[in-house]
This record gives sequence, C-alpha cells and structure tokens, in this order.
Amino acid sequence: GAGVSQSPSNKVTEKGKDVELRCDPISGHTALYWYRQSLGQGLEFLIYFQGNSAPDKSGLPSDRFSAERTGGSVSTLTIQRTQQEDSAVYLCASSLADSQYFGPGTRLLVL
Amino acid sequence: QKEVEQNSGPLSVPEGAIASLNCTYSDRGSQSFFWYRQYSGKSPELIMSIYSNGDKEDGRFTAQLNKASQYVSLLIRDSQPSDSATYLCAVILTGTASKLTFGTGTRLQVTL
Repeated sequence: GAGVSQSPSNKVTEKGKDVELRCDPISGHTALYWYRQSLGQGLEFLIYFQGNSAPDKSGLPSDRFSAERTGGSVSTLTIQRTQQEDSAVYLCASSLADSQYFGPGTRLLVL
Repeated sequence: QKEVEQNSGPLSVPEGAIASLNCTYSDRGSQSFFWYRQYSGKSPELIMSIYSNGDKEDGRFTAQLNKASQYVSLLIRDSQPSDSATYLCAVILTGTASKLTFGTGTRLQVTL
C-alpha cells in the first residue's frame, strides 16, 4: 500500500517568509509525528498527533512553529518568519501502534 | 549523559562478515526499541522492533535486548555492500507516549 507522503520534497525560501509543509500519513494510522534532521545532526522530535489532537508539542523549537492535523489524516507544519537555522530536512512519520514509518521528507533551505 | 548513545563509526566490515551495531540508553524504564536504516539523502527505514529481553531474528538481522544492562544491539549477518548506511537506534522513553528518541547513528561501511 501507499506509504507516508510529504510535499513539497524541496523548498527554498527567503529568510522571513512563511512556509507550509504537508504530510499525508499511511491510511488508517492514527498517530502522526514530525521530526527534524539538520545536517550532521540526529533526528529531533517536534510534535506528535493522536487523531487531531497534539498531546506532545514539546519539541517545537519556538512559537514560530505550529502544526495542525485535520480529519485525523493530513497534517501541516507551518514555520513563520523563517530563519537560516530552520534549514533542515523535516520528516513526518505515522503509526498505528509503536512502529513508526517515515515519509521521504521535505528539504527546507532558508537563504 | 545522552539518552540514547551510539558509536558514530564508521564501522567497516568486509563483505560476508557479521556487523555488530550497539546502542545504550539511559532510561531504565524504557520498553520499546527500534532499529532504523538510513541511506545517505534518504529517510529512515524501519528494520526491527524489539520489546523483550533476548534475541529477535528477521532474515539476516538479529536485534538483541538486555534491559538490565540498558543495551540493545543489531547484528547483520552476511553483510552486503548494500547494507552500507547509517543505522539509527531509537527508544521510546518512559512517559513520552510514542515519541522516538534517536541516537546519532552508526555509519556502516561494507567493503568488497
């Protein structure tokens, strides 16, 4: 079946602009996660959704970052007033139980 | 002390040999452990999950868990050049719902 999909695959933006990243989880997966992987860095948790609610937002680095999930399916991660340090690969994962399956990621470059 | 620790490598093994990848974790209460493989420029791919002490085998891969020693390992038998990748250990820490905490990964190189 179809895996997790993310769009866009690449995004180049100017400092100060807002960006929206989209994640489409595996059909039927109730949990959805956003992670970030910076060059040479490990995977960093951002936020977790169970259904449409976000019980754990502890990884969001600042109030410029927000995320929502609608209909228990698609999620969007929004970064406002982007900064150069936001440049990273943003990864989405979904799960039905504990095992998480990752999408291909969105590579964000802030100039 | 990092919550999940791995040797960054690179770990170099000849083709056909056994590759042994190790991971330690700090939270004694952790119950769920995962190994992911990540090729350069790609996203992590789930290889194995393990929840109970002992060994779990899946094809050429064996995950080993020792909760008393807070240690989880991944053995790759008959290593192939296509196994060359970064291997990420991930743990669900106590009280963190399903959030994965990752090690920084071990880079494996399988040489001809």
